[in-house]
Amino acid sequence: DADVTQTPRNRITKTGKRIMLECSQTKGHDRMYWYRQDPGLGLRLIYYSFDVKDINKGEISDGYSVSRQAQAKFSLSLESAIPNQTALYFCATSDLGRDQSNEQFFGPGTRLTVL
Amino acid sequence: AQSVTQLDSHVSVSEGTPVLLRCNYSSSYSPSLFWYVQHPNKGLQLLLKYTSAATLVKGINGFEAEFKKSETSFHLTKPSAHMSDAAEYFCVVSPNSGYSTLTFGKGTMLLVSP
Repeated sequence: DADVTQTPRNRITKTGKRIMLECSQTKGHDRMYWYRQDPGLGLRLIYYSFDVKDINKGEISDGYSVSRQAQAKFSLSLESAIPNQTALYFCATSDLGRDQSNEQFFGPGTRLTVL
Repeated sequence: AQSVTQLDSHVSVSEGTPVLLRCNYSSSYSPSLFWYVQHPNKGLQLLLKYTSAATLVKGINGFEAEFKKSETSFHLTKPSAHMSDAAEYFCVVSPNSGYSTLTFGKGTMLLVSP
């Protein structure tokens, strides 16, 4: 079974609709992250959470919100989707660990298309 | 502040020839450095990581990278490319501080021809 799961895997929606992407993990990690990937731009951080009571904006948080429902669950919402939010979205988890490296473990991604 | 520059957006090699993917970084702290690989329509998989131990790091599938502080580089190499190596590769930096995030390069697409 996958350690980091994302639902849905693919979604097509229309401009102005509210949409939620969900992420669950069984790794027992405290830290969770949401990224978007666009061709030629790599991955950019949207929001991150270092524990259940902690939420932080990343590089590109405008137009997005998040909810950390439990240690294992971290959801990303688009309140009113727009076409330039069409992208591949990744959830990731980490635990600081003995090597202090912040190595992250990624889910399989959600491909979102906004028409 | 930290940043990563992947010097080539695309690299083309023939099967059996060496692979070199170049990465330069900047970081205010002594960094951790990673290479992740993304195969078509797949998620990201860790190839290798540097965390201030040995400067030559060996990863999966025959890849390795050398941390060179004086050159602020962390280039990825493999002696002999295989068709299955065709993918996008990301160089990633994180400062070695407790509350830190990752900064990704823009990626290098590796194309392997028969």
